[in-house]
Amino acid sequence: DGGITQSPKYLFRKEGQNVTLSCEQNLNHDAMYWYRQDPGQGLRLIYYSQIVNDFQKGDIAEGYSVSREKKESFPLTVTSAQKNPTAFYLCASSIWGSHGYTFGSGTRLTVV
Amino acid sequence: AQKITQTQPGMFVQEKEAVTLDCTYDTSDPSYGLFWYKQPSSGEMIFLIYQGSYDQQNATEGRYSLNFQKARKSANLVISASQLGDSAMYFCAMRERLDGANSKLTFGKGITLSVRP
Repeated sequence: DGGITQSPKYLFRKEGQNVTLSCEQNLNHDAMYWYRQDPGQGLRLIYYSQIVNDFQKGDIAEGYSVSREKKESFPLTVTSAQKNPTAFYLCASSIWGSHGYTFGSGTRLTVV
Repeated sequence: AQKITQTQPGMFVQEKEAVTLDCTYDTSDPSYGLFWYKQPSSGEMIFLIYQGSYDQQNATEGRYSLNFQKARKSANLVISASQLGDSAMYFCAMRERLDGANSKLTFGKGITLSVRP
Protein backbone atom coordinates (compact mmCIF):
# COMPACT_ATOMS: atom_id res chain seq x y z
CA ASP A 1 0.00 0.00 0.00
CA GLY A 2 1.20 3.49 -0.79
CA GLY A 3 1.75 5.93 1.99
CA ILE A 4 4.16 7.88 4.14
CA THR A 5 6.31 6.19 6.76
CA GLN A 6 7.71 8.18 9.62
CA SER A 7 10.16 6.63 12.02
CA PRO A 8 10.60 6.26 14.84
CA LYS A 9 7.17 6.80 16.40
CA TYR A 10 8.72 7.93 19.70
CA LEU A 11 12.16 9.46 20.14
CA PHE A 12 13.98 10.54 23.26
CA ARG A 13 17.14 12.60 23.15
CA LYS A 14 19.32 14.48 25.56
CA GLU A 15 19.44 18.22 25.40
CA GLY A 16 22.15 19.49 23.09
CA GLN A 17 22.12 16.48 20.75
CA ASN A 18 21.13 16.60 17.12
CA VAL A 19 18.48 14.10 16.07
CA THR A 20 17.18 13.08 12.63
CA LEU A 21 13.57 12.14 11.94
CA SER A 22 12.89 9.93 8.96
CA CYS A 23 10.14 10.44 6.36
CA GLU A 24 9.74 8.12 3.38
CA GLN A 25 6.91 8.07 0.82
CA ASN A 26 6.12 5.64 -1.99
CA LEU A 27 3.34 7.70 -3.52
CA ASN A 28 5.55 9.26 -6.20
CA HIS A 29 4.58 12.67 -4.84
CA ASP A 30 6.73 15.62 -5.85
CA ALA A 31 6.24 17.82 -2.80
CA MET A 32 7.07 16.99 0.80
CA TYR A 33 6.56 18.97 3.99
CA TRP A 34 7.53 18.94 7.64
CA TYR A 35 5.15 20.30 10.28
CA ARG A 36 5.52 20.74 14.01
CA GLN A 37 2.59 20.41 16.43
CA ASP A 38 2.66 21.54 20.04
CA PRO A 39 0.00 20.39 22.55
CA GLY A 40 -3.37 21.96 21.88
CA GLN A 41 -2.04 23.78 18.85
CA GLY A 42 -2.31 23.57 15.11
CA LEU A 43 0.45 22.50 12.76
CA ARG A 44 3.21 24.91 11.80
CA LEU A 45 5.32 24.51 8.68
CA ILE A 46 9.04 23.94 9.23
CA TYR A 47 10.38 23.16 5.74
CA TYR A 48 9.02 22.10 2.39
CA SER A 49 10.44 20.70 -0.82
CA GLN A 50 8.86 20.71 -4.26
CA ILE A 51 11.58 18.80 -6.12
CA VAL A 52 14.70 16.80 -5.43
CA ASN A 53 17.71 18.82 -4.28
CA ASP A 54 15.57 21.86 -3.54
CA PHE A 55 13.85 22.90 -0.33
CA GLN A 56 12.55 26.08 1.25
CA LYS A 57 12.14 27.38 4.79
CA GLY A 58 8.68 27.47 6.24
CA ASP A 59 7.40 29.58 9.11
CA ILE A 60 9.56 28.12 11.89
CA ALA A 61 12.76 26.82 10.25
CA GLU A 62 15.24 28.06 12.86
CA GLY A 63 17.05 25.20 14.53
CA TYR A 64 16.05 22.66 11.87
CA SER A 65 17.68 21.36 8.71
CA VAL A 66 16.49 19.08 5.89
CA SER A 67 17.77 17.36 2.77
CA ARG A 68 16.03 16.03 -0.34
CA GLU A 69 18.49 13.78 -2.13
CA LYS A 70 15.80 11.37 -3.30
CA LYS A 71 12.21 11.96 -4.30
CA GLU A 72 11.03 9.41 -1.74
CA SER A 73 12.89 10.76 1.26
CA PHE A 74 12.80 14.02 3.23
CA PRO A 75 14.62 13.65 6.57
CA LEU A 76 14.43 16.38 9.20
CA THR A 77 17.29 17.10 11.59
CA VAL A 78 16.47 18.83 14.84
CA THR A 79 19.67 20.57 15.84
CA SER A 80 20.92 21.70 19.21
CA ALA A 81 20.08 25.25 18.13
CA GLN A 82 16.35 24.50 18.36
CA LYS A 83 15.45 25.96 21.74
CA ASN A 84 12.34 23.93 22.44
CA PRO A 85 12.41 20.77 20.32
CA THR A 86 9.95 18.65 22.30
CA ALA A 87 6.92 18.34 20.02
CA PHE A 88 5.00 16.11 17.64
CA TYR A 89 6.42 16.16 14.10
CA LEU A 90 4.35 15.33 11.05
CA CYS A 91 5.58 14.75 7.52
CA ALA A 92 3.28 15.21 4.53
CA SER A 93 3.46 14.91 0.77
CA SER A 94 1.41 16.07 -2.17
CA ILE A 95 1.30 15.93 -5.92
CA TRP A 96 2.67 19.15 -7.38
CA GLY A 97 -0.20 21.52 -8.05
CA SER A 98 -2.90 19.28 -6.58
CA HIS A 99 -4.92 19.72 -3.44
CA GLY A 100 -4.35 16.25 -2.05
CA TYR A 101 -2.05 16.03 0.94
CA THR A 102 -1.09 12.75 2.63
CA PHE A 103 0.27 12.75 6.17
CA GLY A 104 2.48 10.30 7.98
CA SER A 105 1.60 9.02 11.45
CA GLY A 106 4.08 11.34 13.14
CA THR A 107 7.10 11.20 15.44
CA ARG A 108 6.83 12.33 19.03
CA LEU A 109 10.17 13.82 20.08
CA THR A 110 10.98 14.35 23.73
CA VAL A 111 14.17 16.09 24.76
CA VAL A 112 15.26 15.52 28.33
CA ALA B 1 -2.21 37.99 11.39
CA GLN B 2 -4.05 34.76 12.01
CA LYS B 3 -5.17 33.30 8.73
CA ILE B 4 -7.29 30.44 10.01
CA THR B 5 -9.41 31.03 13.08
CA GLN B 6 -11.05 28.33 15.12
CA THR B 7 -12.34 29.88 18.32
CA GLN B 8 -14.83 27.38 19.70
CA PRO B 9 -13.88 25.81 23.00
CA GLY B 10 -14.20 22.07 23.35
CA MET B 11 -17.43 20.94 21.72
CA PHE B 12 -19.80 18.29 23.00
CA VAL B 13 -22.51 16.56 21.00
CA GLN B 14 -24.93 13.76 21.71
CA GLU B 15 -24.50 10.62 19.65
CA LYS B 16 -26.63 10.66 16.46
CA GLU B 17 -27.04 14.43 16.53
CA ALA B 18 -25.48 16.89 14.10
CA VAL B 19 -22.71 19.31 15.05
CA THR B 20 -21.15 22.33 13.36
CA LEU B 21 -17.49 23.23 13.80
CA ASP B 22 -16.64 26.82 12.92
CA CYS B 23 -13.78 28.10 10.82
CA THR B 24 -13.06 31.55 9.43
CA TYR B 25 -10.16 32.41 7.20
CA ASP B 26 -8.38 35.39 5.79
CA THR B 27 -6.68 35.67 2.42
CA SER B 28 -6.36 38.14 -0.42
CA ASP B 29 -5.61 35.44 -2.99
CA PRO B 30 -8.69 34.70 -5.14
CA SER B 31 -7.53 31.11 -5.60
CA TYR B 32 -7.33 29.02 -2.44
CA GLY B 33 -8.50 25.75 -1.00
CA LEU B 34 -10.01 24.89 2.34
CA PHE B 35 -9.62 21.57 4.12
CA TRP B 36 -10.86 19.87 7.23
CA TYR B 37 -8.78 17.20 8.93
CA LYS B 38 -9.55 14.92 11.86
CA GLN B 39 -6.83 14.04 14.34
CA PRO B 40 -7.64 11.22 16.76
CA SER B 41 -5.55 10.65 19.86
CA SER B 42 -3.16 8.45 17.87
CA GLY B 43 -1.96 11.57 16.06
CA GLU B 44 -2.45 10.86 12.38
CA MET B 45 -4.16 13.50 10.26
CA ILE B 46 -7.19 12.15 8.44
CA PHE B 47 -8.48 14.13 5.48
CA LEU B 48 -12.22 14.76 5.64
CA ILE B 49 -13.29 17.27 3.03
CA TYR B 50 -12.03 19.89 0.58
CA GLN B 51 -13.58 23.08 -0.85
CA GLY B 52 -12.00 25.07 -3.66
CA SER B 53 -12.52 28.82 -3.71
CA TYR B 54 -14.13 28.65 -7.15
CA ASP B 55 -16.39 25.71 -6.38
CA GLN B 56 -20.00 26.73 -6.82
CA GLN B 57 -21.48 24.10 -4.57
CA ASN B 58 -20.71 23.20 -0.99
CA ALA B 59 -18.57 20.09 -0.69
CA THR B 60 -20.01 16.92 0.80
CA GLU B 61 -18.35 13.62 1.75
CA GLY B 62 -20.65 11.11 3.38
CA ARG B 63 -21.62 12.47 6.81
CA TYR B 64 -19.41 15.52 6.35
CA SER B 65 -20.43 18.70 4.60
CA LEU B 66 -18.77 22.06 4.35
CA ASN B 67 -20.87 25.19 4.72
CA PHE B 68 -18.84 27.55 2.54
CA GLN B 69 -19.79 31.22 2.80
CA LYS B 70 -17.24 33.02 0.67
CA ALA B 71 -18.34 36.58 1.39
CA ARG B 72 -18.11 35.92 5.12
CA LYS B 73 -14.88 33.96 4.68
CA SER B 74 -16.20 31.06 6.64
CA ALA B 75 -15.92 27.33 6.02
CA ASN B 76 -17.80 25.50 8.74
CA LEU B 77 -17.75 21.71 8.95
CA VAL B 78 -21.06 19.97 9.58
CA ILE B 79 -21.01 16.41 10.86
CA SER B 80 -24.38 14.70 10.67
CA ALA B 81 -25.43 11.75 12.81
CA SER B 82 -22.44 11.92 15.16
CA GLN B 83 -20.79 8.68 16.15
CA LEU B 84 -18.61 7.88 19.17
CA GLY B 85 -15.67 7.46 16.81
CA ASP B 86 -16.00 11.11 15.78
CA SER B 87 -14.45 12.16 19.10
CA ALA B 88 -11.17 13.79 18.07
CA MET B 89 -9.45 17.07 17.33
CA TYR B 90 -10.61 18.79 14.13
CA PHE B 91 -8.47 21.17 12.14
CA CYS B 92 -9.43 23.64 9.47
CA ALA B 93 -6.66 24.41 6.98
CA MET B 94 -6.16 26.64 3.97
CA ARG B 95 -3.93 26.02 0.99
CA GLU B 96 -1.96 29.13 0.22
CA ARG B 97 0.16 29.77 -2.80
CA LEU B 98 3.82 30.48 -2.15
CA ASP B 99 6.19 31.18 -5.03
CA GLY B 100 5.34 29.90 -8.47
CA ALA B 101 3.22 26.80 -8.18
CA ASN B 102 4.41 26.03 -4.66
CA SER B 103 1.77 25.91 -1.99
CA LYS B 104 1.47 25.12 1.69
CA LEU B 105 -1.24 24.30 4.16
CA THR B 106 -1.87 26.75 6.99
CA PHE B 107 -3.74 25.29 9.96
CA GLY B 108 -6.02 26.67 12.62
CA LYS B 109 -5.51 25.72 16.27
CA GLY B 110 -8.16 23.04 16.16
CA ILE B 111 -11.36 22.17 17.99
CA THR B 112 -11.81 19.20 20.30
CA LEU B 113 -15.06 17.34 19.70
CA SER B 114 -16.43 14.88 22.24
CA VAL B 115 -19.39 12.68 21.34
CA ARG B 116 -21.52 11.57 24.29
CA PRO B 117 -23.32 8.21 24.22
